Amino acid sequence: GEDVEQSLFLSVREGDSSVINCTYTDSSSTYLYWYKQEPGAGLQLLTYIFSNMDMKQDQRLTVLLNKKDKHLSLRIADTQTGDSAIYFCAEGAYNDYKLSFGAGTTVTVRA
Amino acid sequence: DADVTQTPRNRITKTGKRIMLECSQTKGHDRMYWYRQDPGLGLQLIYYSFDVKDINKGEISDGYSVSRQAQAKFSLSLESAIPNQTALYFCATSGDRGGPLGYTFGSGTRLTVV
Repeated sequence: GEDVEQSLFLSVREGDSSVINCTYTDSSSTYLYWYKQEPGAGLQLLTYIFSNMDMKQDQRLTVLLNKKDKHLSLRIADTQTGDSAIYFCAEGAYNDYKLSFGAGTTVTVRA
Repeated sequence: DADVTQTPRNRITKTGKRIMLECSQTKGHDRMYWYRQDPGLGLQLIYYSFDVKDINKGEISDGYSVSRQAQAKFSLSLESAIPNQTALYFCATSGDRGGPLGYTFGSGTRLTVV
């Protein structure tokens, strides 16, 4: 979507950390999301962060939010081959029906 | 069974043909959505429905129509398919409010118009 931007491709070596970046424009965003899409599958919610937080950690995943710069990142520690997928950044407000998605970052994990 | 089921999973159709994509859900959600995914463009909203009698156009509704047959069923039609409607189509549902766990997506229908 035009309001959410992310780079299209990322290649990472197995065992290294991956960092996927996203910028958004809507200052009324309440939640920011990361979705994962594996080949042939739908979108699966990976993690999310509320807009009044600046960091959230969930096992190998770390989400960082810089609200001033409207910048969101997803770090995957110890990247595995099963992490190869398309990762979508999305933003939405709590009482709004609509999520705005970025174009998706294709992450390729190489041995 | 999946919470959101889309049929067919794959479809090839000819230019000018009418085609219907179907979506059914067992989440009990009132809100249903149709999105289109194109490489490099992410997901774009085609239509959404807040309940059986409330249907709304999204960002890219031209060339598409929808029908909400029941709370659990929301179908997308291409009246006269054209090649640039070749894409991956997703149905999704959500409850009355947004929030982080709100959306559930189907597995998608890959449509090719030749």
